[in-house]
Amino acid sequence: EAGVAQSPRYKIIEKRQSVAFWCNPISGHATLYWYQQILGQGPKLLIQFQNNGVVDDSQLPKDRFSAERLKGVDSTLKIQPAKLEDSAVYLCASSFVTGGVEAFFGQGTRLTVV
Amino acid sequence: AQSVAQPEDQVNVAEGNPLTVKCTYSVSGNPYLFWYVQYPNRGLQFLLKYITGDNLVKGSYGFEAEFNKSQTSFHLKKPSALVSDSALYFCAVRDIASKGTALIFGKGTTLSVSS
Repeated sequence: EAGVAQSPRYKIIEKRQSVAFWCNPISGHATLYWYQQILGQGPKLLIQFQNNGVVDDSQLPKDRFSAERLKGVDSTLKIQPAKLEDSAVYLCASSFVTGGVEAFFGQGTRLTVV
Repeated sequence: AQSVAQPEDQVNVAEGNPLTVKCTYSVSGNPYLFWYVQYPNRGLQFLLKYITGDNLVKGSYGFEAEFNKSQTSFHLKKPSALVSDSALYFCAVRDIASKGTALIFGKGTTLSVSS
């Protein structure tokens, strides 16, 4: 079974530029999460989708971050404009159903803002 | 608010010895608890979970965890450590207060197993 696919793996941009990350979840997984993992910390939720609807985006900095999940499959996360403090690993995860079922994570995209 | 704490930044153990990685939690209701492992330049891999039932949960790669409600703990254990177990381990709790079902993660504990 194919896992959660993310691209790119690495990205270096200058502050105030824009960047986009892509995620393809495991086939059939209705729930998709984007997490931000800053060095030395645990992942922190940015946004959760159920199919193509947003379930929780309370921690998403909406002035600069946006995300969409068209057709309830692939998802993109965008940052515009980027700040130095956005340097982190962005992890995408998916799960078959919500509740106590575990989520499966992609390898992540490491973003460096200079 | 829901939270999880991993009191140790690093745990060092010799190969063949038992290991314990500690985790305590704070939730308002019944917790859903998880352990994940992260190898360098890799995503998080699921190890095990506690939802309900037996307090001793067995997971992948010989790991197990014991749920202790009175001590609000969910420590990760393995009877005999391997060098290949060296990695970053995260404890997580489901945030039932949120609109969704996302996890709240601890800051992580680095496990180093020496040969």
